[in-house]
Amino acid sequence: DAMVIQNPRYQVTQFGKPVTLSCSQTLNHNVMYWYQQKSSQAPKLLFHYYDKDFNNEADTPDNFQSRRPNTSFCFLDIRSPGLGDAAMYLCATSRDKLAGGPGYEQYFGPGTRLTVT
Amino acid sequence: AQTVTQSQPEMSVQEAETVTLSCTYDTSESNYYLFWYKQPPSRQMILVIRQEAYKQQNATENRFSVNFQKAAKSFSLKISDSQLGDTAMYFCAFMKPRAANAGNMLTFGGGTRLMVKP
Repeated sequence: DAMVIQNPRYQVTQFGKPVTLSCSQTLNHNVMYWYQQKSSQAPKLLFHYYDKDFNNEADTPDNFQSRRPNTSFCFLDIRSPGLGDAAMYLCATSRDKLAGGPGYEQYFGPGTRLTVT
Repeated sequence: AQTVTQSQPEMSVQEAETVTLSCTYDTSESNYYLFWYKQPPSRQMILVIRQEAYKQQNATENRFSVNFQKAAKSFSLKISDSQLGDTAMYFCAFMKPRAANAGNMLTFGGGTRLMVKP
């Protein structure tokens, strides 16, 4: 089945130690998103890639970076995790209208729960 | 900026009964989409139902239906014949379509945790 895969599902890192979360998709969608979801809160968009173009949300801290080496993969890099970065990180994809999709529906991965010690 | 408010942090319903989850939003846009997403415990978020703002007819997907009141900026979700598998966090979300060459941003409400009891 076509899907959005996130690895690992659970990640523990130390305060200040860089960490990378990965997302892959078999849907061949041209847009990929990263959301941060803190406990009992709504998901908040960090940034997204439209094809190879990176789009950062205005209030996303510089500590968060992303890479998309190809259509299928997207990475979230946290350069110096703080205790406040502990959260569920959700990856999502969509197919834009120009790419033949409806443009509006986002497909989510299961998330990676990040713990910072 | 758009805001989405879900005023019911938690709700419960007996199996086979009907429950309605509330959502209100604030926007100055006339063209937008509204969604209900379901996030079961430890599982991924999935789309339950969507509504295009230009459509007056309320969307329906099997046991799920919405009551879309555009003037009141209200978008409630009704779940009929509730099943144990409906237990989840439900998020109401707003999307303003961006330019064709940009991704679309979802603005989520705070969520409603629904428990279906046997």
